[in-house]
Amino acid sequence: SQTIHQWPATLVQPVGSPLSLECTVEGTSNPNLYWYRQAAGRGLQLLFYSVGIGQISSEVPQNLSASRPQDRQFILSSKKLLLSDSGFYLCAWSYQPLTLHFGNGTRLTVT
Amino acid sequence: SQQGEEDPQALSIQEGENATMNCSYKTSINNLQWYRQNSGRGLVHLILIRSNEREKHSGRLRVTLDTSKKSSSLLITASRAADTASYFCATDEQGAQKLVFGQGTRLTINP
Repeated sequence: SQTIHQWPATLVQPVGSPLSLECTVEGTSNPNLYWYRQAAGRGLQLLFYSVGIGQISSEVPQNLSASRPQDRQFILSSKKLLLSDSGFYLCAWSYQPLTLHFGNGTRLTVT
Repeated sequence: SQQGEEDPQALSIQEGENATMNCSYKTSINNLQWYRQNSGRGLVHLILIRSNEREKHSGRLRVTLDTSKKSSSLLITASRAADTASYFCATDEQGAQKLVFGQGTRLTINP
């Protein structure tokens, strides 16, 4: 069966510091991978998605970047965090049809 | 961009009652899906309805889709306290490899 791992679960970082969130999927190959962000009490905003290694689509211009160095690994990064980067970050994978399977999320607080 | 809009934003009912949530969207879609999110967790897929379907059932869940009105509804029958969560609709635009989520309905079931 497929599983998705996302870490860390919580993170507190100062403004201006770098960020690296990692997501890995097991038990599947060549999935679509997604990074979403959720503000408190709000819906999900799609940040990046990838349909294959090295293929990244950016949905919202911002202070973040994503990379897919391996088939089942998706990394969300920032060189310098802003206060507005705080939120709940969710990684997900899918096949066709586009049914998403989410990780448990990372709660990021930028102070 | 947010495609789906759920209504109401929050709903509080007594255990045993039925809960109905609505979703509207803007563009032509392949599928519409409903997800559930417990507080502080990732989303879990509940049900998918294709654009050529009008109604679908899964256990206590009933979903309808009206493509002429670009709207969907999720009915949870005989609600239980464990149904307390946020519920989101999500759509995939034709030709797109991504899901766009609404703002969600926060459902509270009172024992």
